Amino acid sequence: DTGVSQNPRHKITKRGQNVTFRCDPISEHNRLYWYRQTLGQGPEFLTYFQNEAQLEKSRLLSDRFSAERPKGSFSTLEIQRTEQGDSAMYLCASSAGRHPTDTQYFGPGTRLTVL
Amino acid sequence: AQSVTQLDSQVPVFEEAPVELRCNYSSSVSVYLFWYVQYPNQGLQLLLKYLSGSTLVKGINGFEAEFNKSQTSFHLRKPSVHISDTAEYFCAVIWDTGFQKLVFGTGTRLLVSP
Repeated sequence: DTGVSQNPRHKITKRGQNVTFRCDPISEHNRLYWYRQTLGQGPEFLTYFQNEAQLEKSRLLSDRFSAERPKGSFSTLEIQRTEQGDSAMYLCASSAGRHPTDTQYFGPGTRLTVL
Repeated sequence: AQSVTQLDSQVPVFEEAPVELRCNYSSSVSVYLFWYVQYPNQGLQLLLKYLSGSTLVKGINGFEAEFNKSQTSFHLRKPSVHISDTAEYFCAVIWDTGFQKLVFGTGTRLLVSP
């Protein structure tokens, strides 16, 4: 299977702890997106990379959140000092082209629960 | 403000019946329109998209949608649903202005029963 993969699939942590999620996009996809989805809502854009460059960040992404995509392949999303409001599904997507309308392929997500 | 509205949070339907899932969006500029489906424990999958051209768009699994500019709508339809169509369906929009990103609606859960 050459789809988008995300690890871990589930993460339970205590408030104040740091967590890191990983996303492996489809090979040679140059755009990578992170979204957050809370219960009963659609995904909300967080940030995206064009190759290794992070080109846009949502205002939803507080300074406790940081994302990287070294070498333009996999990406990590780190949340420092987690809060209960960070509990959500974190989705990763990748696309092959350079236009935002190019089809985004989504991974299964990482479900974060902050106790 | 840019918004996507899916008024129906849940749509129950019997197998082999037709279904329409509604999507409306705010519009002051050109838009690009998408429907995604999310099956349990799976990633979102693109059903279809409208970028330009014919306003009737056909997608995978027998779904189609029609872009109606005057109504600012992009409703999803299927003439005959199957049990396997039970899933969450999301409408999404990209406005052709500024930073272009997918903005999703809140989703509609389609429940198909025998």
